[in-house]
Amino acid sequence: GAVVSQHPSWVICKSGTSVKIECRSLDFQATTMFWYRQFPKQSLMLMATSNEGSKATYEQGVEKDKFLINHASLTLSTLTVTSAHPEDSSFYICSARDRRSVEFFGPGTRLTVL
Amino acid sequence: AQSVAQPEDQVNVAEGNPLTVKCTYSVSGNPYLFWYVQYPNRGLQFLLKYITGDNLVKGSYGFEAEFNKSQTSFHLKKPSALVSDSALYFCALRRSYNKLIFGAGTRLAVHP
Repeated sequence: GAVVSQHPSWVICKSGTSVKIECRSLDFQATTMFWYRQFPKQSLMLMATSNEGSKATYEQGVEKDKFLINHASLTLSTLTVTSAHPEDSSFYICSARDRRSVEFFGPGTRLTVL
Repeated sequence: AQSVAQPEDQVNVAEGNPLTVKCTYSVSGNPYLFWYVQYPNRGLQFLLKYITGDNLVKGSYGFEAEFNKSQTSFHLKKPSALVSDSALYFCALRRSYNKLIFGAGTRLAVHP
């Protein structure tokens, strides 16, 4: 149990295009999901907290107009990187919190912007 | 302010030997503490948590951790390391429903 999926697992796109990443909790409902970014050999950096049915809460320094988050249901949150640039290339990881207050993480999405 | 420290960038252990990955924390109030493991190009896998109750917490894959309030530590341990345990380990802290605060991570290398 407690499986979180992400799609796609990797994506390559041209500069200026938008990319959508999906995060799903497969066997539990998650009122809260989180989006992280991880640079090589570094820890995870929280980008935003996503609550079902309400606007996401972004961490300081994260552009909400660039990283659009939608949490449309208790099992799905999406992150859209708008007008992507090479500096947005990174490993994006989502997580979902279950009723026991544990966060379960997705496998991550490797984004490369050319 | 809340913080998590993992003082070792890397821990090297021979297969079959016990392993310890250290974690200390700073928080006002009662902490929720977690250990996660990350394999290359993968997300994090949950190992174990401490929220309340017994100070010794047993988790997945034979790992355990001991919550020590006086030393503000939550070290991860395993009696006998496997080569397949080689990965990046993260300690994390949270208060109630706040966000997770991660340590910098410790790379565990288990040698045959």
